[in-house]
Amino acid sequence: GAGVSQSPRYKVAKRGQDVALRCDPISGHVSLFWYQQALGQGPEFLTYFQNEAQLDKSGLPSDRFFAERPEGSVSTLKIQRTQQEDSAVYLCASSPTLGGLSGNTIYFGEGSWLTVV
Amino acid sequence: AQSVTQLDSHVSVSEGTPVLLRCNYSSSYSPSLFWYVQHPNKGLQLLLKYTSAATLVKGINGFEAEFKKSETSFHLTKPSAHMSDAAEYFCVGEAGTALIFGKGTTLSVSS
Repeated sequence: GAGVSQSPRYKVAKRGQDVALRCDPISGHVSLFWYQQALGQGPEFLTYFQNEAQLDKSGLPSDRFFAERPEGSVSTLKIQRTQQEDSAVYLCASSPTLGGLSGNTIYFGEGSWLTVV
Repeated sequence: AQSVTQLDSHVSVSEGTPVLLRCNYSSSYSPSLFWYVQHPNKGLQLLLKYTSAATLVKGINGFEAEFKKSETSFHLTKPSAHMSDAAEYFCVGEAGTALIFGKGTTLSVSS
């Protein structure tokens, strides 16, 4: 597709359940990012991949959060033993450029809305 | 590290009147700054970006922003609001590989 695609768009999970969120970046984009957006807040950085390498995971809030991009294209964000505070929109973004942002444009998907009940 | 502060959580205007959304930044060096818009249930869309070139930056849909180093500001403006401009707007900076988002300003446009 032309844009960043995320699935599922909506997920309701029971507390303690594991969830997996998928991101298909724009074809050929080497950089991939995950952000978390709580209700009424701006997005917050979670992690960054350059191809298959996870170069920055400083924003992951706990060891229950895990992200991977094994072949340098599709990425999965996994949340284990979900808690109510994990309820948020999870945004994936990609960029055709390597390295730091330096003003380069990144393209966001529409997000996966996670509700933990 | 860079941070951004959006000075208004909510701005209301009438259709056809000017829009001003305010953003201040803090950075020890010349920053890259962006404005993104988010319509309900839609993805974030880049409106414009500043990367140390011209201080007046023109974006999509008639929006523009002016980088003022002396005031550490990067306010977003539009001469005439349209109903379709109603959305959430984010002022965004950079820190390494991460975009740093402000808390957002909700723009309401009334007819």
